[in-house]
Amino acid sequence: AQKVTQAQTEISVVEKEDVTLDCVYETRDTTYYLFWYKQPPSGELVFLIRRNSFDEQNEISGRYSWNFQKSTSSFNFTITASQVVDSAVYFCALSDFNRDDKIIFGKGTRLHILP
Amino acid sequence: EPEVTQTPSHQVTQMGQEVILHCVPISNHLYFYWYRQILGQKVEFLVSFYNNEISEKSEIFDDQFSVERPDGSNFTLKIRSTKLEDSAMYFCASSEGTGRGGRPGELFFGEGSRLTVL
Repeated sequence: AQKVTQAQTEISVVEKEDVTLDCVYETRDTTYYLFWYKQPPSGELVFLIRRNSFDEQNEISGRYSWNFQKSTSSFNFTITASQVVDSAVYFCALSDFNRDDKIIFGKGTRLHILP
Repeated sequence: EPEVTQTPSHQVTQMGQEVILHCVPISNHLYFYWYRQILGQKVEFLVSFYNNEISEKSEIFDDQFSVERPDGSNFTLKIRSTKLEDSAMYFCASSEGTGRGGRPGELFFGEGSRLTVL
C-alpha cells in the first residue's frame, strides 16, 4: 500500500528564515513518482515539482529546493529566505510510475510565514 | 494562462438530494480527475477518466458517485443521494497525459467546489 506521511502539521517561521518541510513515503512499487503541491489561501492546488524514483538528483528552483533520499524514503522541501507569500498548505504526494493518474496525497503541512 | 474552472464555488444541499458539480478542464488535456478534501484533511483521490471511461477509482467512489463528459468541454461529478459525510471541497483536475504520453502527475487543479450537506 502507498502512504505519504507529513509529520509536521503546522509550522510558523519569521520571514527570511529558511524552513524545511518533511515528507516520508511508503510504497511497494520499485518505480514511482513523488510530488509537491502548494495550496494557497485561495484554495487551488498548485503543482510545484515531480521527481521519479530513479532520479535522486536534488533540485533547486529559485528559493525552493528538494532533497530526495531513497535510502530513507524521504522527499523534503526547503524554502530559503521565506516570504509571507509562501504561507500556504504544502502537500507531498506519491504515485505508481505506471499508474500516475492516481496520486496519493499526504495530510499537508500548514506553513505560516510571519512578517 | 489556461485554467480549470469549476462551478458552483459553493453548494448547500439537503441530505438525500442529488448534486452535480461541473468542471471545464483545460481544452487540450486528455485526462480528468476528481479529488476531494474534507475540511482540514488531506486531499483524497476519487476517480480518473480517460477516453470517455473511468480509468481508476478509489473505494470512496461508490455507486452514489458517477462522472460524465457530456460534451467536448464539460466534466461532471454527480452524487446521487448526498450524505452528511459528503461535505467537502471537491477539486477537478486535468492533465495532458500520464507517464505514457505526457507530463506525469502535473495535474492542473480548479479552485474547487465546496459542498455542504445539511
